[in-house]
Amino acid sequence: AQKVTQAQTEISVVEKEDVTLDCVYETRDTTYYLFWYKQPPSGELVFLIRRNSFDEQNEISGRYSWNFQKSTSSFNFTITASQVVDSAVYFCALSEAQSGYSTLTFGKGTMLLVSP
Amino acid sequence: DGGITQSPKYLFRKEGQNVTLSCEQNLNHDAMYWYRQDPGQGLRLIYYSQIVNDFQKGDIAEGYSVSREKKESFPLTVTSAQKNPTAFYLCASSPGTGGGGYTFGSGTRLTVV
Repeated sequence: AQKVTQAQTEISVVEKEDVTLDCVYETRDTTYYLFWYKQPPSGELVFLIRRNSFDEQNEISGRYSWNFQKSTSSFNFTITASQVVDSAVYFCALSEAQSGYSTLTFGKGTMLLVSP
Repeated sequence: DGGITQSPKYLFRKEGQNVTLSCEQNLNHDAMYWYRQDPGQGLRLIYYSQIVNDFQKGDIAEGYSVSREKKESFPLTVTSAQKNPTAFYLCASSPGTGGGGYTFGSGTRLTVV
């Protein structure tokens, strides 16, 4: 069975600090996809990134970067120079592509609080 | 614009009553999903459907029912058998194959009074 673990329940930082959100996953499939979503207080899920299991290149998008390491089954998310608008709950999720269906399994989320 | 519409945004239910949450998509996606979110619990899968007239139980299906009579619609009924229905419910859709393309609705917050 697939599982996603986000060990950090809540992180508080001061604006302009860098922060890393951890994500560890478990799956038996060799082909899978990893995701990060942002959930602001309004509740909707905002898609941030998707990465397939064959692409271990790190990715950078503005202040956001992701570090995918298959050797440690981790897909960590770093926000550089955090801003108050980054305050939200962040979810890591996993989708197995070879199981005949493609439901998303979510971690429990990390609440990020960025104070001015 | 294509997307998913969930209604209503807020819903209040008296104990013992069934209530139906609406989810409509115009993305021509084959697959649709219902997730429940509780504080500190993340999102847990209730039901999903890959094609019309077919659906599968997720991890926490007890006390819920669904139907998929049309490709665009996947309503969720919270029955009186659901012991703790107060939660935030999110509907999603995807093309159906692994790999993403998931689109989420804006959610319905259900409160039992």
